[in-house]
Amino acid sequence: DTGVSQDPRHKITKRGQNVTFRCDPISEHNRLYWYRQTLGQGPEFLTYFQNEAQLEKSRLLSDRFSAERPKGSFSTLEIQRTEQGDSAMYLCADRPASGNNEQFFGPGTRLTVL
Amino acid sequence: GENVEQHPSTLSVQEGDSAVIKCTYSDSASNYFPWYKQELGKRPQLIIDIRSNVGEKKDQRIAVTLNKTAKHFSLHITETQPEDSAVYFCAASKGTGGGADGLTFGKGTHLIIQP
Repeated sequence: DTGVSQDPRHKITKRGQNVTFRCDPISEHNRLYWYRQTLGQGPEFLTYFQNEAQLEKSRLLSDRFSAERPKGSFSTLEIQRTEQGDSAMYLCADRPASGNNEQFFGPGTRLTVL
Repeated sequence: GENVEQHPSTLSVQEGDSAVIKCTYSDSASNYFPWYKQELGKRPQLIIDIRSNVGEKKDQRIAVTLNKTAKHFSLHITETQPEDSAVYFCAASKGTGGGADGLTFGKGTHLIIQP
């Protein structure tokens, strides 16, 4: 499957633990987005990078959440002190540097907090 | 911020009939409106999009219409087939880059194609 990749695909953790997810966009796509999707809902925007700069953060991104894109390529999303309410699918999307506004999603990381 | 409402939440149509899903948005500055199809356990897939300088766009059996004045847009699927069964999401963004680029999604429509 080509395109955006995410790792791991599934993560089960205990409440209070820290977790980190990785997203690898298509190399020439300089914009990268993180979304969260809970069952039966549409994706909710969390944050967005253009190259290594984090340009927008949603109010959903509490201080337990941090995202980085240190070299403007892959990105990581860390959740500290996980809570059961953090259980969701975490989706990464990318967008070409020029032209259209299309965002293409990765397969997601499903997080379950016990 | 932007708010996107989507209706209906479930839509059941006979195979071969047409399906229409409607969305409204609140922020008049939004100018990019994509539609995604999501099958169970899979990633959202972009199926069609429209920008605010266009009133209608068509791609084979799917079409999207946009009414900027009323702030609503719709997805039309003609000659529905079993493989069209999925959850469909509408979304909106300012799409300008440099911030305000995240998509705001509707809650989704579960489209069921009856054989």
